[in-house]
Amino acid sequence: EPEVTQTPSHQVTQMGQEVILRCVPISNHLYFYWYRQILGQKVEFLVSFYNNEISEKSEIFDDQFSVERPDGSNFTLKIRSTKLEDSAMYFCASSHLDRDNSPLHFGNGTRLTVT
Amino acid sequence: EDKVVQSPLSLVVHEGDTVTLNCSYEVTNFRSLLWYKQEKKAPTFLFMLTSSGIEKKSGRLSSILDKKELSSILNITATQTGDSAIYLCAVEAYGGSQGNLIFGKGTKLSVKP
Repeated sequence: EPEVTQTPSHQVTQMGQEVILRCVPISNHLYFYWYRQILGQKVEFLVSFYNNEISEKSEIFDDQFSVERPDGSNFTLKIRSTKLEDSAMYFCASSHLDRDNSPLHFGNGTRLTVT
Repeated sequence: EDKVVQSPLSLVVHEGDTVTLNCSYEVTNFRSLLWYKQEKKAPTFLFMLTSSGIEKKSGRLSSILDKKELSSILNITATQTGDSAIYLCAVEAYGGSQGNLIFGKGTKLSVKP
């Protein structure tokens, strides 16, 4: 069964550094998302992306965050100047165009640790 | 403010038991309710319930949506140790972006042999 893949599985970075989290969505999916889960807390929506542009973003997704689909397969989340509170598990997800019948499929996540 | 509340937060049962997990929601323009199973990493999709599909079943798992009570239950019969996981409920509304899911805190299920 096709799946969403994310790399790396774990990223450690120093405060103030830039990180790029990478995702390869399921190939025939057209909607892409980033979610995050701080340890012990709820999974939270960050951003959705469709047709090469952001569809919606949450309050969490401020100017330090950006997303890009640099080619036909990758979908990336960039955090420009990481803060301690950015430490979390970041999940990429994708879904088919037919949203009424197509749930989100999540990747295994990237655990980001900011020191 | 839209919210999703799950109960109980944790549950310990023995193999063979039947469990019922609860999810209630307050969402404007409800579109769908989804159940996911989260073991170590990725939430794995279980069910999607909408106005046109309020009851789903797959093997020992089943789920019902009660739109009047704004709630859903997830039933697992004849539980196995492999069912141990966090079960997440999420709701999606019309009007917002596709796929902006509002998650509950989850129910941590532990199945003892």
